[in-house]
Amino acid sequence: GAGVSQSPSNKVTEKGKDVELRCDPISGHTALYWYRQSLGQGLEFLIYFQGNSAPDKSGLPSDRFSAERTGGSVSTLTIQRTQQEDSAVYLCASSSYGGHTEAFFGQGTRLTVV
Amino acid sequence: AQSVTQLDSHVSVSEGTPVLLRCNYSSSYSPSLFWYVQHPNKGLQLLLKYTSAATLVKGINGFEAEFKKSETSFHLTKPSAHMSDAAEYFCVVSDLEAAGNKLTFGGGTRVLVKP
Repeated sequence: GAGVSQSPSNKVTEKGKDVELRCDPISGHTALYWYRQSLGQGLEFLIYFQGNSAPDKSGLPSDRFSAERTGGSVSTLTIQRTQQEDSAVYLCASSSYGGHTEAFFGQGTRLTVV
Repeated sequence: AQSVTQLDSHVSVSEGTPVLLRCNYSSSYSPSLFWYVQHPNKGLQLLLKYTSAATLVKGINGFEAEFKKSETSFHLTKPSAHMSDAAEYFCVVSDLEAAGNKLTFGGGTRVLVKP
């Protein structure tokens, strides 16, 4: 597609339920990133993929969070047993590999845990 | 390790006056540096990037930034602020040799433009 696509754009879930957030990167982009932005806060790094592998998953806040990427393309971020503090906008970005390449961001998924 | 510090969390300017957003970075090698802007309820948009070709980088909407290696800084400026510049701005560092393509964001600077 023309840009990074994220779905759903909004998700309201009950505390304790699992959610899956999807990111469809720009075609051909090998690097993919997940960030979290809480209300009024900056961007919190979650995980970074190069191809299908995740060289850096240091930002995942707990073992309730996991992510995978298949076929070097679509990525899914899964949050198990959601908590209210998981409420945030989850942003996905992609870039081509190599130095000096900027990342292109999707519009994000706004997650609300009630 | 790479890191970014944006020295001001909030900046308030009057329309028509200059804007200065300060950014200092830490990187072991030769970094790429970016400024992104996020307007209210909008996605992140690239303003400009430094890629070692020139130390003074011009971006969209009249913004520019100067890379100063000796000061490890990449400050963003605009000669004359417009009301539409009210947004949050993020300084970002990426160091391919040190951290692959990982992007590290600063904490953001929220800009308020007064009429």
